Amino acid sequence: EAQVTQNPRYLITVTGKKLTVTCSQNMNHEYMSWYRQDPGLGLRQIYYSMNVEVTDKGDVPEGYKVSRKEKRNFPLILESPSPNQTSLYFCASSPTGTENSPLHFGNGTRLTVT
Amino acid sequence: DQQVKQNSPSLSVQEGRISILNCDYTNSMFDYFLWYKKYPAEGPTFLISISSIKDKNEDGRFTVFLNKSAKHLSLHIVPSQPGDSAVYFCAASRWGNRDDKIIFGKGTRLHILP
Repeated sequence: EAQVTQNPRYLITVTGKKLTVTCSQNMNHEYMSWYRQDPGLGLRQIYYSMNVEVTDKGDVPEGYKVSRKEKRNFPLILESPSPNQTSLYFCASSPTGTENSPLHFGNGTRLTVT
Repeated sequence: DQQVKQNSPSLSVQEGRISILNCDYTNSMFDYFLWYKKYPAEGPTFLISISSIKDKNEDGRFTVFLNKSAKHLSLHIVPSQPGDSAVYFCAASRWGNRDDKIIFGKGTRLHILP
């Protein structure tokens, strides 16, 4: 089954403790992206990657890192999480990242930072 | 500055009637628009899209209308069914520009009443 898989689905952590949220897609998509969803703010892009070894900042990149060492994986790294990073996170992929290849989303990771 | 606006946080519609979800945008450079649907505990899924060379696109019960002069698009669902209860996100992007992001609205929660 074609899908985007995020892990974990739920995560509670403390301020400053480094964490990684994994994302993997099995559709051979070039484009991958991370979003966060917050009440009243919709979906905001954190980072995206047009292809392997190519990453760029989205609208809200502060406090996050990503890497794209291989096509299928795009982990989101929080080196020193803070409470304002408590949010619902979505990973997404598409064949090319252009207008005619809509995004496929994972089921989300709900992160709580205390 | 919010470039894609969904001004109705929620909407309730009787089953069998028409649901109309609205979206406004401010950037006249946008030329490709998408609607995503999101159920609780799942990621958004692509629903329907329209490019700026069209003013209407239809797919089964779903029709998207685009009014470029008003910078407004709407999603019509006819007839509305209980499974349509979800959050709907409007999104906009620029055709052919691989570096541009997809901008999402804040979403509208649709409740289909029995």
